[in-house]
Amino acid sequence: DIQMTQSPSTLSASVGDRVTITCRASQSISSWLAWYQQKPGKAPKLLIFKASSLESGVPSRFSGSGSGTEFTLTISSLQPDDFATYYCQQYNGYSSWTFGQGTKVEIK
Amino acid sequence: QVQLVESGGGVVQPGRSLRLSCAASGFTFTSYGMHWVRQAPGKGLEWVAVVSYDGSNKYYADSVKGRFTISRDNSKNTLYLQMNSLRAEDTAVYYCAKSYWELLLNDAFDIWGQGTMVTVSS
Repeated sequence: DIQMTQSPSTLSASVGDRVTITCRASQSISSWLAWYQQKPGKAPKLLIFKASSLESGVPSRFSGSGSGTEFTLTISSLQPDDFATYYCQQYNGYSSWTFGQGTKVEIK
Repeated sequence: QVQLVESGGGVVQPGRSLRLSCAASGFTFTSYGMHWVRQAPGKGLEWVAVVSYDGSNKYYADSVKGRFTISRDNSKNTLYLQMNSLRAEDTAVYYCAKSYWELLLNDAFDIWGQGTMVTVSS
Protein backbone atom coordinates (compact mmCIF):
# COMPACT_ATOMS: atom_id res chain seq x y z
CA ASP A 1 0.00 0.00 0.00
CA ILE A 2 1.09 3.57 -0.67
CA GLN A 3 1.99 5.53 2.47
CA MET A 4 1.70 9.30 2.68
CA THR A 5 3.88 11.31 5.07
CA GLN A 6 3.20 14.96 5.80
CA SER A 7 5.54 17.45 7.42
CA PRO A 8 5.45 19.23 9.70
CA SER A 9 2.77 17.75 11.96
CA THR A 10 2.16 21.15 13.51
CA LEU A 11 3.02 24.57 12.18
CA SER A 12 2.82 27.86 14.09
CA ALA A 13 2.44 30.93 11.90
CA SER A 14 1.13 34.48 11.89
CA VAL A 15 -1.43 36.17 9.68
CA GLY A 16 0.30 37.23 6.47
CA ASP A 17 2.96 34.51 6.62
CA ARG A 18 3.77 32.29 3.66
CA VAL A 19 3.16 28.70 4.71
CA THR A 20 4.36 25.50 3.03
CA ILE A 21 3.30 21.95 3.88
CA THR A 22 5.05 18.94 2.37
CA CYS A 23 3.62 15.55 1.51
CA ARG A 24 5.73 12.58 0.45
CA ALA A 25 4.44 9.36 -1.12
CA SER A 26 6.15 6.01 -0.54
CA GLN A 27 6.07 5.39 -4.31
CA SER A 28 5.29 7.45 -7.38
CA ILE A 29 1.68 8.59 -7.65
CA SER A 30 2.17 10.78 -10.73
CA SER A 31 -0.05 13.82 -10.03
CA TRP A 32 -2.87 11.94 -8.34
CA LEU A 33 -2.83 14.01 -5.16
CA ALA A 34 -5.43 16.14 -3.40
CA TRP A 35 -5.28 18.56 -0.49
CA TYR A 36 -8.09 19.09 2.02
CA GLN A 37 -8.73 21.59 4.80
CA GLN A 38 -10.58 20.52 7.92
CA LYS A 39 -11.80 22.70 10.77
CA PRO A 40 -12.83 21.27 14.16
CA GLY A 41 -16.18 19.50 14.06
CA LYS A 42 -16.52 19.95 10.31
CA ALA A 43 -16.11 17.75 7.26
CA PRO A 44 -12.97 18.11 5.15
CA LYS A 45 -13.08 20.56 2.25
CA LEU A 46 -11.32 19.94 -1.06
CA LEU A 47 -8.75 22.63 -1.89
CA ILE A 48 -6.52 21.16 -4.61
CA PHE A 49 -6.88 18.15 -6.91
CA LYS A 50 -4.47 16.57 -9.38
CA ALA A 51 -1.60 18.08 -7.40
CA SER A 52 -2.01 21.66 -8.65
CA SER A 53 -5.62 22.26 -9.79
CA LEU A 54 -7.47 24.72 -7.59
CA GLU A 55 -11.00 23.68 -6.69
CA SER A 56 -13.70 26.15 -7.67
CA GLY A 57 -14.34 28.75 -4.99
CA VAL A 58 -11.04 28.22 -3.19
CA PRO A 59 -9.02 31.43 -2.72
CA SER A 60 -6.05 31.85 -5.03
CA ARG A 61 -3.67 32.19 -2.07
CA PHE A 62 -3.77 28.37 -1.97
CA SER A 63 -1.57 26.55 -4.47
CA GLY A 64 -0.24 23.05 -4.95
CA SER A 65 2.79 21.69 -6.74
CA GLY A 66 4.80 18.53 -7.25
CA SER A 67 4.63 15.17 -8.96
CA GLY A 68 5.92 11.67 -8.43
CA THR A 69 6.62 11.41 -4.70
CA GLU A 70 7.07 15.00 -3.49
CA PHE A 71 4.26 17.52 -3.17
CA THR A 72 3.66 20.86 -1.49
CA LEU A 73 0.70 22.95 -0.45
CA THR A 74 1.48 26.66 -0.18
CA ILE A 75 -0.62 29.40 1.38
CA SER A 76 0.87 32.62 0.06
CA SER A 77 -0.47 34.93 2.79
CA LEU A 78 -2.08 33.21 5.76
CA GLN A 79 -5.50 34.54 6.69
CA PRO A 80 -7.42 34.10 9.98
CA ASP A 81 -9.81 31.65 8.27
CA ASP A 82 -6.89 29.40 7.27
CA PHE A 83 -6.07 28.14 10.75
CA ALA A 84 -7.09 24.49 10.39
CA THR A 85 -5.71 21.02 9.77
CA TYR A 86 -4.60 20.10 6.25
CA TYR A 87 -4.48 16.62 4.77
CA CYS A 88 -2.95 15.30 1.59
CA GLN A 89 -4.50 12.27 -0.11
CA GLN A 90 -3.25 10.01 -2.88
CA TYR A 91 -5.63 8.43 -5.37
CA ASN A 92 -3.20 6.75 -7.72
CA GLY A 93 -4.58 3.22 -7.59
CA TYR A 94 -8.01 1.78 -8.13
CA SER A 95 -8.16 0.08 -4.77
CA SER A 96 -6.71 2.41 -2.17
CA TRP A 97 -7.03 6.04 -1.24
CA THR A 98 -4.54 7.07 1.46
CA PHE A 99 -4.41 10.22 3.55
CA GLY A 100 -1.42 11.81 5.19
CA GLN A 101 -1.49 12.15 8.97
CA GLY A 102 -2.40 15.84 8.80
CA THR A 103 -0.72 19.19 9.48
CA LYS A 104 -2.26 21.51 12.05
CA VAL A 105 -1.71 25.18 11.29
CA GLU A 106 -1.84 27.13 14.56
CA ILE A 107 -1.72 30.80 15.44
CA LYS A 108 1.75 31.89 16.49
CA GLN B 1 -27.70 22.33 -3.79
CA VAL B 2 -25.34 19.38 -3.82
CA GLN B 3 -25.68 17.62 -0.50
CA LEU B 4 -24.85 14.40 1.31
CA VAL B 5 -26.58 13.58 4.59
CA GLU B 6 -25.45 10.63 6.70
CA SER B 7 -27.56 8.85 9.28
CA GLY B 8 -27.59 5.66 11.32
CA GLY B 9 -24.78 6.28 13.76
CA GLY B 10 -25.04 5.55 17.46
CA VAL B 11 -23.68 3.51 20.33
CA VAL B 12 -23.31 -0.22 19.75
CA GLN B 13 -21.72 -3.06 21.70
CA PRO B 14 -18.62 -4.84 20.40
CA GLY B 15 -19.48 -7.65 18.03
CA ARG B 16 -22.81 -6.14 17.03
CA SER B 17 -23.86 -4.60 13.70
CA LEU B 18 -24.90 -1.19 12.44
CA ARG B 19 -25.94 0.17 9.05
CA LEU B 20 -25.12 3.70 7.96
CA SER B 21 -26.97 5.56 5.21
CA CYS B 22 -25.99 8.54 3.09
CA ALA B 23 -28.74 10.38 1.21
CA ALA B 24 -27.57 12.29 -1.85
CA SER B 25 -29.24 15.22 -3.56
CA GLY B 26 -28.44 17.97 -6.04
CA PHE B 27 -26.40 15.86 -8.46
CA THR B 28 -26.77 12.80 -10.69
CA PHE B 29 -26.04 10.16 -8.05
CA THR B 30 -26.03 7.35 -10.60
CA SER B 31 -22.95 8.81 -12.36
CA TYR B 32 -20.50 8.99 -9.46
CA GLY B 33 -18.41 6.67 -7.37
CA MET B 34 -19.04 7.05 -3.66
CA HIS B 35 -16.78 6.56 -0.65
CA TRP B 36 -16.89 6.15 3.10
CA VAL B 37 -14.14 7.80 5.15
CA ARG B 38 -13.82 7.70 8.93
CA GLN B 39 -12.07 9.73 11.59
CA ALA B 40 -11.45 8.38 15.08
CA PRO B 41 -11.68 10.96 17.88
CA GLY B 42 -8.67 13.28 17.72
CA LYS B 43 -7.14 11.33 14.83
CA GLY B 44 -6.67 11.72 11.09
CA LEU B 45 -8.75 10.63 8.13
CA GLU B 46 -8.94 6.97 7.12
CA TRP B 47 -10.46 5.82 3.84
CA VAL B 48 -12.87 2.90 4.45
CA ALA B 49 -14.58 1.78 1.24
CA VAL B 50 -15.67 2.77 -2.27
CA VAL B 51 -18.39 1.66 -4.66
CA SER B 52 -18.46 2.47 -8.36
CA TYR B 53 -21.27 4.48 -9.94
CA ASP B 54 -23.17 1.34 -10.94
CA GLY B 55 -22.33 -0.77 -7.88
CA SER B 56 -20.28 -3.25 -9.89
CA ASN B 57 -16.93 -2.52 -8.22
CA LYS B 58 -16.23 -2.30 -4.52
CA TYR B 59 -12.98 -1.91 -2.61
CA TYR B 60 -12.22 -1.87 1.10
CA ALA B 61 -9.48 -0.87 3.49
CA ASP B 62 -7.72 -3.88 5.00
CA SER B 63 -8.92 -2.80 8.45
CA VAL B 64 -12.59 -3.43 7.53
CA LYS B 65 -12.35 -6.06 4.81
CA GLY B 66 -14.64 -9.01 5.53
CA ARG B 67 -16.61 -7.08 8.18
CA PHE B 68 -18.00 -4.04 6.33
CA THR B 69 -20.05 -3.99 3.11
CA ILE B 70 -20.61 -0.93 0.97
CA SER B 71 -23.64 -0.77 -1.31
CA ARG B 72 -25.85 1.72 -3.07
CA ASP B 73 -29.46 2.00 -4.20
CA ASN B 74 -29.46 4.26 -7.24
CA SER B 75 -33.26 4.31 -7.31
CA LYS B 76 -33.19 5.97 -3.88
CA ASN B 77 -30.01 8.06 -4.34
CA THR B 78 -28.65 6.44 -1.20
CA LEU B 79 -25.31 4.95 -0.19
CA TYR B 80 -24.98 2.39 2.60
CA LEU B 81 -22.32 0.93 4.86
CA GLN B 82 -23.21 -2.30 6.63
CA MET B 83 -20.85 -2.75 9.55
CA ASN B 84 -20.67 -6.16 11.22
CA SER B 85 -18.50 -7.55 14.01
CA LEU B 86 -17.82 -4.06 15.26
CA ARG B 87 -14.76 -3.40 17.39
CA ALA B 88 -13.78 -0.59 19.73
CA GLU B 89 -11.29 0.63 17.13
CA ASP B 90 -14.16 1.24 14.70
CA THR B 91 -15.30 4.13 16.89
CA ALA B 92 -15.20 7.20 14.65
CA VAL B 93 -17.12 9.82 12.74
CA TYR B 94 -18.08 8.27 9.42
CA TYR B 95 -18.31 10.52 6.38
CA CYS B 96 -19.65 9.71 2.94
CA ALA B 97 -17.95 11.48 0.06
CA LYS B 98 -18.48 11.87 -3.67
CA SER B 99 -15.91 11.27 -6.39
CA TYR B 100 -15.01 14.41 -8.28
CA TRP B 101 -15.54 13.24 -11.85
CA GLU B 102 -18.29 11.16 -13.37
CA LEU B 103 -17.66 7.43 -13.69
CA LEU B 104 -14.13 7.56 -12.19
CA LEU B 105 -12.98 5.78 -9.06
CA ASN B 106 -9.36 6.99 -8.79
CA ASP B 107 -10.39 10.50 -7.96
CA ALA B 108 -10.45 13.20 -5.29
CA PHE B 109 -13.52 13.72 -3.11
CA ASP B 110 -15.30 17.01 -3.81
CA ILE B 111 -18.43 16.74 -1.67
CA TRP B 112 -18.58 15.39 1.89
CA GLY B 113 -21.45 14.80 4.27
CA GLN B 114 -21.51 16.22 7.78
CA GLY B 115 -20.63 12.85 9.31
CA THR B 116 -22.31 10.45 11.70
CA MET B 117 -20.72 9.24 14.93
CA VAL B 118 -20.35 5.54 15.65
CA THR B 119 -19.29 4.52 19.15
CA VAL B 120 -18.46 0.89 19.85
CA SER B 121 -18.51 0.30 23.57
CA SER B 122 -19.85 -2.16 26.10
